[in-house]
Amino acid sequence: QQPVQSPQAVILREGEDAVINCSSSKALYSVHWYRQKHGEAPVFLMILLKGGEQKGHEKISASFNEKKQQSSLYLTASQLSYSGTYFCGTERSNDYKLSFGAGTTVTVRA
Amino acid sequence: ETGVTQTPRHLVMGMTNKKSLKCEQHLGHNAMYWYKQSAKKPLELMFVYSLEERVENNSVPSRFSPECPNSSHLFLHLHTLQPEDSALYLCASSQGPNLGSGNTIYFGEGSWLTVV
Repeated sequence: QQPVQSPQAVILREGEDAVINCSSSKALYSVHWYRQKHGEAPVFLMILLKGGEQKGHEKISASFNEKKQQSSLYLTASQLSYSGTYFCGTERSNDYKLSFGAGTTVTVRA
Repeated sequence: ETGVTQTPRHLVMGMTNKKSLKCEQHLGHNAMYWYKQSAKKPLELMFVYSLEERVENNSVPSRFSPECPNSSHLFLHLHTLQPEDSALYLCASSQGPNLGSGNTIYFGEGSWLTVV
């Protein structure tokens, strides 16, 4: 079952912050975050395993609340390069399947 | 450069044509995937191969036929497609197939398919 992402889209000015949420109705084993720019491959950002782990990549960080079956991606002091569509992929058991959300389109303006 | 190379990048085909998409990964992974990406829809898993054996066929119509001759190469053979099959087809690989233990999926740049 696919996770639900919110919001669908967000527009930011450089330096502003944003939060993207990814929720599942089922228990999760891990959450994977990707960013895709138009015409390019989705690029892996980070993986979070169950256990409330928080990870970071530049000024992009994420948390995973396994009790709520939810992960959040935090864009801090956004840069123009952060523009793109962010996808979460969720894994329900330790296997090979990732189910992806519909994506959140982030536009960062100068 | 993601380590996963797809060709062609763009393909236009008629509904009666037969064509193939090719994927090659240079990451030393042993699991490969085909995903379909349509506008405004989540990525849809189509097929998974682990050590050249198909481990997942996600209710994909038979007009899509995958082939994995070795752990580095993956093909998607296309035959009598419909206009609604027009989409971006993404190949991916992982050091898998078990994800989550630090493993993840790495995507190619995709093949844009238009069926006319």
